[in-house]
Amino acid sequence: QVQLVQSGAEVKKPGASVKVSCKASGYTFANYGISWVRQAPGQGLEWMGWISSYSGNTTYAQKLQGRVTMTTDTSTSTADMELRSLRSDDTAVYYCARRYRYGPYYFDYWGQGTLVTVSS
Amino acid sequence: DIQMTQSPSSLSASVGDRVTITCRASQSISNYLNWYQQKPGKAPKLLIYAASSLQSGVPLRFSGSGSGTDFTLTISSLQPEDFATYYCQQSYSPPQTFGQGTKVEIK
Repeated sequence: QVQLVQSGAEVKKPGASVKVSCKASGYTFANYGISWVRQAPGQGLEWMGWISSYSGNTTYAQKLQGRVTMTTDTSTSTADMELRSLRSDDTAVYYCARRYRYGPYYFDYWGQGTLVTVSS
Repeated sequence: DIQMTQSPSSLSASVGDRVTITCRASQSISNYLNWYQQKPGKAPKLLIYAASSLQSGVPLRFSGSGSGTDFTLTISSLQPEDFATYYCQQSYSPPQTFGQGTKVEIK
């Protein structure tokens, strides 16, 4: 069965970096991309960006450009999302989600979420 | 960026009620519209993709319609397990924005 398993919760200080991992199983990793979505406490869903698992091409939300890097490792079927220069408003649950390489585009499987807390 | 506006932001309904949630895009997105259900402390779950296609395993009481800028999610007979927050999302162009959510509560 398809599974996306994310790394554990993190607590970081302002200005630090965090890397969240997402390990995929149960499907051909290269046939799908991975999107990242975050949700601040009590708030809605925010799309952060997407990476193609087959080409490595990325598209990032403009507001995160320069602070976020998404990578994949096809040998381990793992996707990583690194966010730098953390601020308090980056405190959120971060989700990875699977997206098929061809349209229509939708997220059919999600990781369990990783809570990142930014606090001094 | 394409803005997605859901209405209402919240609603109260009873088991067995027919519930309709609307989502409007700030520009035409063809049928690149998805619906998700989220329960507290859980990841979102895909319900409907491409505006009207039911995701495998999702009960038939859920349906979606619309194209262009106006879309609807309908729950034909609300069940206890349907009390949750629902989000629309456009996948027409990045950033693939979500609506602000509609919380469905028990009346």
